[in-house]
Amino acid sequence: DGGITQSPKYLFRKEGQNVTLSCEQNLNHDAMYWYRQDPGQGLRLIYYSQIVNDFQKGDIAEGYSVSREKKESFPLTVTSAQKNPTAFYLCASSTGGAPYTEAFFGQGTRLTVV
Amino acid sequence: AQSVTQPDIHITVSEGASLELRCNYSYGATPYLFWYVQSPGQGLQLLLKYFSGDTLVQGIKGFEAEFKRSQSSFNLRKPSVHWSDAAEYFCAVGDTTGGSYIPTFGRGTSLIVHP
Repeated sequence: DGGITQSPKYLFRKEGQNVTLSCEQNLNHDAMYWYRQDPGQGLRLIYYSQIVNDFQKGDIAEGYSVSREKKESFPLTVTSAQKNPTAFYLCASSTGGAPYTEAFFGQGTRLTVV
Repeated sequence: AQSVTQPDIHITVSEGASLELRCNYSYGATPYLFWYVQSPGQGLQLLLKYFSGDTLVQGIKGFEAEFKRSQSSFNLRKPSVHWSDAAEYFCAVGDTTGGSYIPTFGRGTSLIVHP
């Protein structure tokens, strides 16, 4: 079955550590997105990529980094510069190029700083 | 940039009662609008979408939404709520920025269903 796989489901980070969240899709979608979800704040865009080897900052990119070396993969690194990383992170994909196409979501990764 | 507003943070209904979740959009032309549902600890699933044609859109799980240009609204409705409908609901708009398509979400409405 086609879909988006995020791993791990739960992740714990110590202060000062970088951690990487995995996102893989087998939908052959061009566009991929990372969102951060905090209670009562909806989904806020961190980074997005419309094509391989290209990505753009979203509204809250500070303290995060991404890469898009393969069409099916869009990993997110939460760096030590992100001061409040505890949140639920969602990866999504779409065919891109048209605003009426739906986004498909992974099951999310819950990151907690310990 | 386009945006959507969901004015209700929480909505509580009794099982079997009707439901309406509100969504207002800000865009001069016809927007591309979506409703998604999120169960606790899960990703989002598309319920329905509107981009042209009939203003009343049917979706999955018995949901429907009506696009009203005069009110800049795209409210989600269900005639009879089931306990399994308890979830977070997000209205979204398909925004276009610099040639890129960006799904942009409201803050969500949490639906609580009483037995």
